[in-house]
Amino acid sequence: KAGVTQTPRYLIKTRGQQVTLSCSPISGHRSVSWYQQTPGQGLQFLFEYFSETQRNKGNFPGRFSGRQFSNSRSEMNVSTLELGDSALYLCASSVGTSLSYEQYFGPGTRLTVT
Amino acid sequence: LAKTTQPISMDSYEGQEVNITCSHNNIATNDYITWYQQFPSQGPRFIIQGYKTKVTNEVASLFIPADRKSSTLSLPRVSLSDTAVYYCLVEGGYQKVTFGTGTKLQVIP
Repeated sequence: KAGVTQTPRYLIKTRGQQVTLSCSPISGHRSVSWYQQTPGQGLQFLFEYFSETQRNKGNFPGRFSGRQFSNSRSEMNVSTLELGDSALYLCASSVGTSLSYEQYFGPGTRLTVT
Repeated sequence: LAKTTQPISMDSYEGQEVNITCSHNNIATNDYITWYQQFPSQGPRFIIQGYKTKVTNEVASLFIPADRKSSTLSLPRVSLSDTAVYYCLVEGGYQKVTFGTGTKLQVIP
């Protein structure tokens, strides 16, 4: 069974631009969650989608948004990029709607904002 | 929001048992506690999950005391391949998902 895939793996953007990251969950998984990982703040929860609906959201500004498609694939968008948005963005998929289910993480997208 | 703290780092010799504690100061009665392992340049990997008392699987045990203000991940007989960063994750509903600060475990030969 293929694991969680994320594209692109690396990305360099300029401050003020926007970026879209993609995540393909494990087949059969309907929940996708997104996390930001930085050396200073550690792992922080962004949001979770289940069956195309956002069911949980972390404490991030509105510049961070996401969506989920009918095939469970998910995208995350960050608008008006700031230097502080440089991070590893991880997505994870799980069978169930609650984060109490085991999550399978992708390798992440490394975003650098210059 | 549950605040979760862990020791920054721990060293252990091969073959020893390692216990890593996560403190959560505000966890609801229905919050699950999950532990993940992360190697450099990889996403976290599920280790174990529990709700109360003790849970054991083929790789670890998880102890949760009655007051649920902390949880302890126990790794029996660690090997060099267990060198990684370990995170606890507490989830209790809307906007209450928090990862611990992470514990870097170094296993020494």
